[in-house]
Amino acid sequence: KAGVTQTPRYLIKTRGQQVTLSCSPISGHRSVSWYQQTPGQGLQFLFEYFSETQRNKGNFPGRFSGRQFSNSRSEMNVSTLELGDSALYLCASSLTGGAGNTIYFGEGSWLTVV
Amino acid sequence: KQEVTQIPAALSVPEGENLVLNCSFTDSAIYNLQWFRQDPGKGLTSLLLIQSSQREQTSGRLNASLDKSSGRSTLYIAASQPGDSATYLCAVTQGGSEKLVFGKGTKLTVNP
Repeated sequence: KAGVTQTPRYLIKTRGQQVTLSCSPISGHRSVSWYQQTPGQGLQFLFEYFSETQRNKGNFPGRFSGRQFSNSRSEMNVSTLELGDSALYLCASSLTGGAGNTIYFGEGSWLTVV
Repeated sequence: KQEVTQIPAALSVPEGENLVLNCSFTDSAIYNLQWFRQDPGKGLTSLLLIQSSQREQTSGRLNASLDKSSGRSTLYIAASQPGDSATYLCAVTQGGSEKLVFGKGTKLTVNP
């Protein structure tokens, strides 16, 4: 079966612009989480969605937002981009979320802010 | 606040060697611990998931152990191969959340 699909894979944006990243979870999975990966900070949790509801949120400014649709697909948006937002953004899905589930990651979206 | 540490940050070994990667966490109240592999420029691949009630899990040449009380986990790789070269990350979950707290990873290089 298809894995977690993220689009776009690569993008370059200018400071001050906004960006929307998309994630399609594995078929049947209802939980989607987002992570930011940078060389300095490593992998950091952004947010988790289950059945269109945000269940958990990491320590990121309000410029970072997300949503989940009824088909479990998810999007995250970053407004007023800063150079420090350059990172690999990873989406992960699992059947129901919560502890005990194996979590599957997509290939990520590489964002460069110039 | 949960913190996860992985030592060493990088490891280089000759092909065929058995090796151990270490992971420690500060808060022993975890639900589970998961080991991932990340190839350069790629996403994460789940290797092993250990529930908090378990002591170890095995998959092929990989064996992961968990000692919750001491806040430690190890990933044992037997008979390493060049294809094992990657960054290995461990992560823990707490409460009922799926939120993963990651270590910074160990970059493994297996030389032919």
